[in-house]
Amino acid sequence: GAGVSQSPSNKVTEKGKDVELRCDPISGHTALYWYRQSLGQGLEFLIYFQGNSAPDKSGLPSDRFSAERTGGSVSTLTIQRTQQEDSAVYLCASSPGPLTDTQYFGPGTRLTVL
Amino acid sequence: GQQVMQIPQYQHVQEGEDFTTYCNSSTTLSNIQWYKQRPGGHPVFLIQLVKSGEVKKQKRLTFQFGEAKKNSSLHITATQTTDVGTYFCAGSNAGNMLTFGGGTRLMVKP
Repeated sequence: GAGVSQSPSNKVTEKGKDVELRCDPISGHTALYWYRQSLGQGLEFLIYFQGNSAPDKSGLPSDRFSAERTGGSVSTLTIQRTQQEDSAVYLCASSPGPLTDTQYFGPGTRLTVL
Repeated sequence: GQQVMQIPQYQHVQEGEDFTTYCNSSTTLSNIQWYKQRPGGHPVFLIQLVKSGEVKKQKRLTFQFGEAKKNSSLHITATQTTDVGTYFCAGSNAGNMLTFGGGTRLMVKP
């Protein structure tokens, strides 16, 4: 595809439910990043992948959050037992290779937990 | 770990006025990048600076990398309503992942 895509664009869920957010990076990009952005706030780093491995999981807020990447391409961010404080926009970005590369962001998934 | 701070957090300007946002790192950076996020949008890459003292221009935007490679600035001359958004700097050092600053939200009154 031409850019990073994310689905769904919007997700409304009830407290306690699990959600899965998907990211399709730019073809050929080896690095993939997940961020969380609350309304009017900055970018909170969650996790990054180099290929299929995630060397740095330090940003995940709790053990309810997990992520995986398969085939060096698509990534899924899973939030279990969602809480209201999980409501935010979840942004995915990819870059061609080194971690210092320019990051290309997707449009984000807006998650609302009722 | 590496920290990148931006000031101010918010800035209101009258259309036509100039605007500057500053980015400071706790460590020396190998490169710094700037991104713009329009309201309701996602961050979009603007530019990258790698050399000490480097200055780059994009139309009314001037980007500068400090001599010590620990700070950077973005200056917009004669702001327009299309400049509205949040400007993020992001720096990296020694091959580490980019660290984003908290962003500066620019609001322009027509």
